[in-house]
Amino acid sequence: DGGITQSPKYLFRKEGQNVTLSCEQNLNHDAMYWYRQDPGQGLRLIYYSQIVNDFQKGDIAEGYSVSREKKESFPLTVTSAQKNPTAFYLCATSPRDSRGEQYFGPGTRLTVT
Amino acid sequence: KQEVTQIPAALSVPEGENLVLNCSFTDSAIYNLQWFRQDPGKGLTSLLLIQSSQREQTSGRLNASLDKSSGRSTLYIAASQPGDSATYLCAVRRGVKTSGSRLTFGEGTQLTVNP
Repeated sequence: DGGITQSPKYLFRKEGQNVTLSCEQNLNHDAMYWYRQDPGQGLRLIYYSQIVNDFQKGDIAEGYSVSREKKESFPLTVTSAQKNPTAFYLCATSPRDSRGEQYFGPGTRLTVT
Repeated sequence: KQEVTQIPAALSVPEGENLVLNCSFTDSAIYNLQWFRQDPGKGLTSLLLIQSSQREQTSGRLNASLDKSSGRSTLYIAASQPGDSATYLCAVRRGVKTSGSRLTFGEGTQLTVNP
């Protein structure tokens, strides 16, 4: 069963706690991305990684951290420094080809109270 | 800085109608443009990808066009069905030919097709 999995689907945390969102893929894609979506808004890029052990900040990286120790996995940690962490988080991947089409996981809805 | 705008923000049509969704971008130096569909609470599903050298792409009842020089793309949906109800997002990729290039998204058009 190929694809991108994100777990859990819903996540609840208390303010001040760090939380890690999982993203796993078995598509053998090189690049992986994390986006944040707020109600009525488009997606904003948090971090992306083109190869293992390398990643770059996106447009809104403050308060987030990532790692890319394996090609299949790109976990995102939402730290207590992120001022407004409640949002819908989407992971995406793209293959190493000239099209660079991005494929998305089902998302994780994080609620921090 | 690339900015992507989608008009209208919401659209409601009766079943069977043909419709057009619009996407405009400020920087014409794009590598490609991708149209996505998003159902409530779900991830994005890629519908069509148009390379900068192409003028249109078709998939079933969907046709996407690209006019790079004017910074515009349209998504045409023929014979709309209630199952087409969703939010449609367009995204442009910067003009670099490497894996991991960034997309800039519009805010989407929320489409409702009424039976």
